[in-house]
Amino acid sequence: DTAVSQTPKYLVTQMGNDKSIKCEQNLGHDTMYWYKQDSKKFLKIMFSYNNKELIINETVPNRFSPKSPDKAHLNLHINSLELGDSAVYFCASSTNQRTGGGEKLFFGSGTQLSVL
Amino acid sequence: KQEVTQIPAALSVPEGENLVLNCSFTDSAIYNLQWFRQDPGKGLTSLLLIQSSQREQTSGRLNASLDKSSGRSTLYIAASQPGDSATYLCAVNSNYQLIWGAGTKLIIKP
Repeated sequence: DTAVSQTPKYLVTQMGNDKSIKCEQNLGHDTMYWYKQDSKKFLKIMFSYNNKELIINETVPNRFSPKSPDKAHLNLHINSLELGDSAVYFCASSTNQRTGGGEKLFFGSGTQLSVL
Repeated sequence: KQEVTQIPAALSVPEGENLVLNCSFTDSAIYNLQWFRQDPGKGLTSLLLIQSSQREQTSGRLNASLDKSSGRSTLYIAASQPGDSATYLCAVNSNYQLIWGAGTKLIIKP
């Protein structure tokens, strides 16, 4: 069984569309994250939720809205997609709310978003 | 502001060699440092986690060291194998944020 699963794996869409990426973890972790990996391979944190509560919200356009219906799920909804949104998005989870402090991060396999 | 640098960006070595990957960070006030492996299409896998109070961690053929005072960590891979080919990233847990390096792409030639 996959510990952290995110769907879809690939997402190709037109500019201006609205799309969602789903993430689920079956590890019983309290904290979940969304990261964006840019073309230079840098990973930047976007959001972090602990038990459905937003604890980290980096400087991300408000077109990006995370939704956590329960602590096992953290979905990412993106409105009015732009070319610059093209990247790989990774979901992750850990047991510690301090961005994995003291605990390992477990990552999903990533969603490659291409905005045309 | 914490910055994490990994050099070299890419490394190619023959199978069987021992090798060292480097990670440097600018602010020594860290909680811990993690090394990850990224395989195409498979996300990231955590390899080793070193707490700020530790000097090194070992897992199989992997050994990670941490020198906070000099702002450096190394990942030592012994007896490299083609299956070790991947991108290796280090991430510093600093001020409740994970700051990532850009990674070192490692190729092990059979």
